[in-house]
This record gives sequence, structure tokens and C-alpha cells, in this order.
Amino acid sequence: KQEVTQIPAALSVPEGENLVLNCSFTDSAIYNLQWFRQDPGKGLTSLLLIQSSQREQTSGRLNASLDKSSGRSTLYIAASQPGDSATYLCAANAGNMLTFGGGTRLMVKP
Amino acid sequence: EAGVAQSPRYKIIEKRQSVAFWCNPISGHATLYWYQQILGQGPKLLIQFQNNGVVDDSQLPKDRFSAERLKGVDSTLKIQPAKLEDSAVYLCASSLLASIELYSGANVLTFGAGSRLTVL
Repeated sequence: KQEVTQIPAALSVPEGENLVLNCSFTDSAIYNLQWFRQDPGKGLTSLLLIQSSQREQTSGRLNASLDKSSGRSTLYIAASQPGDSATYLCAANAGNMLTFGGGTRLMVKP
Repeated sequence: EAGVAQSPRYKIIEKRQSVAFWCNPISGHATLYWYQQILGQGPKLLIQFQNNGVVDDSQLPKDRFSAERLKGVDSTLKIQPAKLEDSAVYLCASSLLASIELYSGANVLTFGAGSRLTVL
């Protein structure tokens, strides 16, 4: 059974800092890994999807990497802004099911 | 394009009462999902439909939860009777691809805003 863990559970940083969110998964037989953003009272928004054959994906200030063999993914946020404050979730796709981590609550202070 | 619509947004009930949530996916999306998200945790899949058939309901507590997707469009999720531990946000999501195409890795789910349930 796939288990996905995210560390840290919460993070508070001053504006402008570069930061890294970590995601680990127990079963490396995944098709892809996705990072989502969740704002309070809102649904999930897909940020980046990394195929199992890829090492990383970039979108603007976001960069996600994937190391299947070690069961790890990281989300790098450059030059953080208060608008980045949200919960970030990773999800491993092992076929027809996404298994989510518990999320990292990010607060970026002005 | 309109997003995934869910209602009600909030519901407060007493334990042992029943509740129903409704989801209208994006037009043309073949696959529909219901997730349960308990406070502080990631979403957990309850049930997945492809058109009006069930693909996966292995994590649905069938003694109290039921779901249907008549005509392969809208879906309802019902809880009867509710327990305290059912307090959560119930998220509906839909995707364009049929479930088998999820193996291609290209599938992207669109989530609704969720229905927050509080059981007292």
C-alpha cells in the first residue's frame, strides 16, 4: 500500500526566501507525481506533474524534482511571496488512484 | 469553462442523522472522484466513477456511505447514519480521460471547492 509523507507539516518564512518542501513515497512503482496547492476553503489546484521518466518540471518560480529510486520529490519555491501562503500537497499516481501526503502549510510573512 | 460545482458548501448535522452532497463535474469529463479530507490530512479517495460505473470503491465505508452517478454526469454522496469521525471536507474531482488512460500519466484532475461537514 502506497504511503506518502510530507515534511515539514508547517513552515513559516519571511518574504523573499527560497524554500524546499519535501515529499516521500514508499512504493516507487508510480506513473507520475503531482504537486497541488490548496487555499483555505478552496479545492486543489494542480501546480506541476512529473512523469516517472522525468527528473524535474518547472513552472515560473516553482521547480519540482523526482527521484523514483529513492522515493522522493521536492518542490522548490524561489523568492517566496505572501501570495504563496497555502497548503501544498503532493500525490503519487500508481495507476488509477492518487495517494496524497498530509500537506505542508506554508506561511510567507511580508 | 465552468469548474466542478459542489453543494452544499457547509453542513452541520447531529450524529446519526443523514446528509447528501452533490457534485456536477466539468462537462464531458468521463471520470469522477469523491475524496474525504479530514482536517490536517491529505485527501483520501472514497470512490471513483467512469461514466456511470464504479471503478474503485475499496475505501468507501459501505455500511454508511453510498454514492451514485446516474446518467454518467452528476453524482451524489450520501452518509447515513453520520458519525463524529465523518467530520471532514468532501471533495469532488473530475478528469477528462477515462480511468484506464490514467496510466499514461497525463491525466489532470480538476477539484471542486468541497463540502465541509461538521457532525456534532
